[in-house]
Amino acid sequence: QQQVKQSPQSLIVQKGGISIINCAYENTAFDYFPWYQQFPGKGPALLIAIRPDVSEKKEGRFTISFNKSAKQFSLHIMDSQPGDSATYFCAAANAGGTSYGKLTFGQGTILTVHP
Amino acid sequence: DTEVTQTPKHLVMGMTNKKSLKCEQHMGHRAMYWYKQKAKKPPELMFVYSYEKLSINESVPSRFSPECPNSSLLNLHLHALQPEDSALYLCASSQDPSGSEQYFGPGTRLTVT
Repeated sequence: QQQVKQSPQSLIVQKGGISIINCAYENTAFDYFPWYQQFPGKGPALLIAIRPDVSEKKEGRFTISFNKSAKQFSLHIMDSQPGDSATYFCAAANAGGTSYGKLTFGQGTILTVHP
Repeated sequence: DTEVTQTPKHLVMGMTNKKSLKCEQHMGHRAMYWYKQKAKKPPELMFVYSYEKLSINESVPSRFSPECPNSSLLNLHLHALQPEDSALYLCASSQDPSGSEQYFGPGTRLTVT
């Protein structure tokens, strides 16, 4: 029940296209859903995050869509650029609960944006 | 500024060595974390410090020993490691121990020979 399932494992998109990565969770106690971007040899960088009181959050070219009833959330990257090529991890946490400090990560998606 | 720094960037150690990894943040965050990340895998939580006290130990072998000297510093002491411990070790911090808004450092690439 603690799992977060992420798909696809890898994604190839042309420059200017839309990249979409999906995640699904089971634990209804999760109340914080971040996305991390990681370049090779670097630490994950917090990209954008959402809480279940909103269905969508947009920051620049990055948008999180959240469907509480389906227990799913997704990352949309508009106008994808070669510099967006990285591994993306979704995650979830029960930020308001007692199991503090624990982010449950998805398995990651390797995004390649071709010029 | 959301910077977490880690030293060293790379470390090669033998199985009988003792070494330490260091992490520092100056954001006033009160929770700090150690993660281990293997290639092509997500980070795995090892330890959580909340207000300088160890609050979570994810059943990590005793050859890994964390230490939090003050609210800005986090160390990970390594002793008698195994080759399978080779990985990227990541430090993270967050404003509070809820787990939200964790900011990661660049990591230390550890190789055990």
